[in-house]
Amino acid sequence: QVQMVQSGPEVKKPGASVRVSCKASGYTFNTYDISWVRQAPGQGLEWMGWISGRNGNTNYAQKLQGRVTLTTDTSTTTAYMDLRSLRSDDTAVYYCARGGASTGYDAWGQGTLVIVSS
Amino acid sequence: QSVLTQPPLVSGAPGQRVTISCTGSSSNVGAGYDVHWYQHLPGSAPKLLIYGDSNRPSGVPDRFSGSKSGTSASLAITGLQAEDESDYYCQSYDSSLGASVFGGGTKLTVL
Repeated sequence: QVQMVQSGPEVKKPGASVRVSCKASGYTFNTYDISWVRQAPGQGLEWMGWISGRNGNTNYAQKLQGRVTLTTDTSTTTAYMDLRSLRSDDTAVYYCARGGASTGYDAWGQGTLVIVSS
Repeated sequence: QSVLTQPPLVSGAPGQRVTISCTGSSSNVGAGYDVHWYQHLPGSAPKLLIYGDSNRPSGVPDRFSGSKSGTSASLAITGLQAEDESDYYCQSYDSSLGASVFGGGTKLTVL
């Protein structure tokens, strides 16, 4: 069965960077896109960006442009989300999900809590 | 403020039918982009409930249905059960933003 397993929780100081990984299994990795979504405390779901499984093309939410980078490693079927210059309002649960905007997200990671605090 | 507008709260008694609306614009729902719905219990991963406006993934009960007309979409839940108490989100693509967009979410309470 399809599984997306994410890395563990992180606590970071403002200005630092964080990397969240997402290990995919149960399907052919490069035939599906992977998207990242986050949920801040008490808030709704926020789309962060998307990476093509075929060619590595990316598209990022405008508000995160310049601070977020999505990559994949096809040899380990793992996707990565790097977020730089962390601020307190980046505190959220971060999810990876299989799929794109037009197809919907049919499999999700369990979520990774990132806390940004001094 | 979300690009897709959902009512923040919806409630119903067990066995009843409830609907959750998702109102967009001519650059997303009204442009014909597919709408997808998710059920999200706090502390767990969101679950795809409806894809492509009205299709159910395998394993999703037929009590859940989706529809779309013009710039709005709806999720209907019939035969409401206590286990349906959750947050629900619609999602689509917006061509003006060139991005995926979510509704603000609706908390469903089963009375």
